Amino acid sequence: EIVLTQSPATLSLSPGQRASLSCRASQNVGAYLAWYQQKPGQAPRLLIYDASNRATGIPARFSGSGSGTDFTLTISRLEAEDFAVYYCQQRSNWPPKLTFGGGTKVEIK
Amino acid sequence: QVQLVQSGGEVKKPGASVKVSCKTSGYTFTSYGITWVRQAPGQGLEWMGWINAYNGNTQHAQKFQGRVTMTTDTITRTADMELRSLRSDDTAVYYCAITSDAFDFWGQGTLVTVSS
Repeated sequence: EIVLTQSPATLSLSPGQRASLSCRASQNVGAYLAWYQQKPGQAPRLLIYDASNRATGIPARFSGSGSGTDFTLTISRLEAEDFAVYYCQQRSNWPPKLTFGGGTKVEIK
Repeated sequence: QVQLVQSGGEVKKPGASVKVSCKTSGYTFTSYGITWVRQAPGQGLEWMGWINAYNGNTQHAQKFQGRVTMTTDTITRTADMELRSLRSDDTAVYYCAITSDAFDFWGQGTLVTVSS
């Protein structure tokens, strides 16, 4: 089973600052990594798929990078609605045997 | 538009079973598998399994082997997930979802509470 480790667990930043979230896989997942945002009481929302492709309707301030085992989600300038929990998910298996990282909470400093 | 609408919340006793339904619309049902994910209170997302809506083949996370059954009905366009031998730590919100590249849609979630 592929294990995803996200860091940091919590990121305390102010609006307008840049956020960098890390996701490390226990084995090579190629570019088959997605990022989700989740707010309290809501289902997760896809932000990035295939490591660096923005999903439909996702603002350009969200970007993803990486391949293999190391991935990063960057939010260039945090806006009020960006404070949430972010999860990475690997999609490298077929048939799908997916896993999620433990999450990074981006909170207002 | 694509919609996944889940059945309502359930309260179950330990040892019982629960079935969560996910009714879909707005896309070709057999073209995408259905993923099941759960989230315990205050915890992260946990992938439970996946079912191929075309042929019914399934993949489950190891920890649920033997305790979970996933099915689909192509006539009603519904996916069901049954979890048996419930324990208190199965208390969670259960989600159905389609997670295929950019084609990514989620149900609203179903709260299952396991309590004596």
